[in-house]
Amino acid sequence: DGGITQSPKYLFRKEGQNVTLSCEQNLNHDAMYWYRQDPGQGLRLIYYSQIVNDFQKGDIAEGYSVSREKKESFPLTVTSAQKNPTAFYLCASAGRSHHEQYFGPGTRLTVT
Amino acid sequence: AQKVTQAQTEISVVEKEDVTLDCVYETRDTTYYLFWYKQPPSGELVFLIRRNSFDEQNEISGRYSWNFQKSTSSFNFTITASQVVDSAVYFCALGDYKLSFGAGTTVTVRA
Repeated sequence: DGGITQSPKYLFRKEGQNVTLSCEQNLNHDAMYWYRQDPGQGLRLIYYSQIVNDFQKGDIAEGYSVSREKKESFPLTVTSAQKNPTAFYLCASAGRSHHEQYFGPGTRLTVT
Repeated sequence: AQKVTQAQTEISVVEKEDVTLDCVYETRDTTYYLFWYKQPPSGELVFLIRRNSFDEQNEISGRYSWNFQKSTSSFNFTITASQVVDSAVYFCALGDYKLSFGAGTTVTVRA
């Protein structure tokens, strides 16, 4: 089945540790996105990539890093510099038209 | 800058009632797209509809309907004869390759 996978569903880390969230898609989409969702709030864009080996900062990129070495994969690293990393992280992808974004199931990260 | 406002934070109805979710947007772009997404308790966002700025025709899909009015910058969403399975958070979004999301409206449908 075509779709977007994110793993793991739940992730727990100690403060001060970097953690990498996985996002893989087999939809042959060019564009991929990372969003953060906090309780009772909408989605905020962290990073996005329109083609392989290229990515741009979104609205809240500080404390995060990404790579796009393969079309199918867009991992997000939450670094120790991110002051409030506990949140729900959603990955999305979109086809060449970039209009509809399709989302993965999300990873809930808890940092203590 | 783009902005999406969903004024209703929460709506609670009894099954079979109609529910209308408001969405008002701001943009300086002449060409743009509007979207509605559904987020059930599982967390994954489900795409419902896309409307481009040149197409003001209203759309109906089963029990869902959308009313796009460019003159008032609104893109409202109605669920007719609501069901318990409609309980979710609904997001309105604006943009093209980058989307701006509203804060969401939590809809609770009681049996």
